[in-house]
Amino acid sequence: AQKVTQAQTEISVVEKEDVTLDCVYETRDTTYYLFWYKQPPSGELVFLIRRNSFDEQNEISGRYSWNFQKSTSSFNFTITASQVVDSAVYFCALSEASNSGGSNYKLTFGKGTLLTVNP
Amino acid sequence: DVKVTQSSRYLVKRTGEKVFLECVQDMDHENMFWYRQDPGLGLRLIYFSYDVKMKEKGDIPEGYSVSREKKERFSLILESASTNQTSMYLCAGTHRGPGELFFGEGSRLTVL
Repeated sequence: AQKVTQAQTEISVVEKEDVTLDCVYETRDTTYYLFWYKQPPSGELVFLIRRNSFDEQNEISGRYSWNFQKSTSSFNFTITASQVVDSAVYFCALSEASNSGGSNYKLTFGKGTLLTVNP
Repeated sequence: DVKVTQSSRYLVKRTGEKVFLECVQDMDHENMFWYRQDPGLGLRLIYFSYDVKMKEKGDIPEGYSVSREKKERFSLILESASTNQTSMYLCAGTHRGPGELFFGEGSRLTVL
């Protein structure tokens, strides 16, 4: 069975601080996808990134960066120079990467981390 | 823009009522999902559909059923609502690739 653990329930930082959101996953699959989603106060979840298990390269997109480490089954998310607009619940998720089309799209989510960025 | 629309943002129903939650997507994609979101539990998959009239149970299907008669529409049905089904329900569809879901705004259901 797949499992995603986000140990940090809530994090509070002051604007311009860097913050890292942790994500640890469990799966028996050798190929899989990892994801991060953002849920702002308005409620609509927004896709941020997808990572294939074969690709351990870290990724940077503006102030966002992701560190994928297969050896520790972790896929951590760092926001550099945080801003008030980054305040949201962030979800890490996992899916199979099988040939069965439906399974590829079925995500297992973590419980989320509430990030509050104070001015 | 891609759009997933849930028909009701807020509903209040009584125990035992039959409840329909409607979701429409304009992405012309096969895969659609219903998730339930509860504080401290994250998102849990109720059902998903990978084609018209095709459906598969997720992690918590008990007490729910679904209908997918047309590609663009995926309905979640609570045959006899109970108080423990009070929750936020999220519909999603896929578009560009595995796991890249587009979510609706959610339907907050309260069962009294």
